[in-house]
Amino acid sequence: AQTVTQSQPEMSVQEAETVTLSCTYDTSENNYYLFWYKQPPSRQMILVIRQEAYKQQNATENRFSVNFQKAAKSFSLKISDSQLGDTAMYFCAFRTPTTQGAQKLVFGQGTRLTINP
Amino acid sequence: NAGVTQTPKFQVLKTGQSMTLQCAQDMNHEYMSWYRQDPGMGLRLIHYSVGAGITDQGEVPNGYNVSRSTTEDFPLRLLSAAPSQTSVYFCASRYGGSGNTIYFGEGSWLTVV
Repeated sequence: AQTVTQSQPEMSVQEAETVTLSCTYDTSENNYYLFWYKQPPSRQMILVIRQEAYKQQNATENRFSVNFQKAAKSFSLKISDSQLGDTAMYFCAFRTPTTQGAQKLVFGQGTRLTINP
Repeated sequence: NAGVTQTPKFQVLKTGQSMTLQCAQDMNHEYMSWYRQDPGMGLRLIHYSVGAGITDQGEVPNGYNVSRSTTEDFPLRLLSAAPSQTSVYFCASRYGGSGNTIYFGEGSWLTVV
C-alpha cells in the first residue's frame, strides 16, 4: 500500500523564523512525484513545491525548499523567513505514473502551521 | 483563464436527494478528477477521467457517478445523498504526461442532513 505520514499535527513559530515540516512515505515504485500543498482557511489547495523522484537535486521555490531523501523515503519542507501568510494546513502528497491514470494523489494527514507575529 | 471552476460553492441536501456538482476547466487539460476531503484528513480520489468519453473509479467511488462528454466539463453526481457524503469536494485537472502538476478548484462544501 502507498501511504504518506506527517508526524507533526501542529506547529507554531514566530514570524521570520525557519520551520521544517516532516513527511515520510511508503511505495514500492521507483518513479514517482512528491508535492507539498498549502491549504489556507479558504480551503483552496495551492501547490507549494514539487519534486521528481529521479532528480537528486532538491527543489526550491523562493523561501520554500525540500530535503528529499529517496533511500529513507523522506520529503521534508523548509520554510525560511516565515510570514504571517504562511499560516495554513500543509499536506505532503505523492503520486506515481501508474496508479489510476496517474491521477491518484496520496495525501498525508496534514500539519497545521501557525506563524505568530 | 479562469482555471478550474466549481459550482456550487456551498450546498445543503437532505438525505436521499440527488444533485450534481459542476466542474469546468478552460486550460484544455486532458485529465480531470474529483476528490473529497473529510475533516482532519487529506484528499481522497473519487473518480477520474483521462479524456472525453473515458472515466474510471478512484479510491472512494461508491455513491457517485461521473461523465465526461466534453474536454472542459466533468460533473459529479450524487445519486442518493447520505450524511456520510458530507465533505468538501475538489475538482482537479492537468495536462497529459504523468509528471504534470494537478491543479485544484476552490472546493464545494456539501452538507447532507
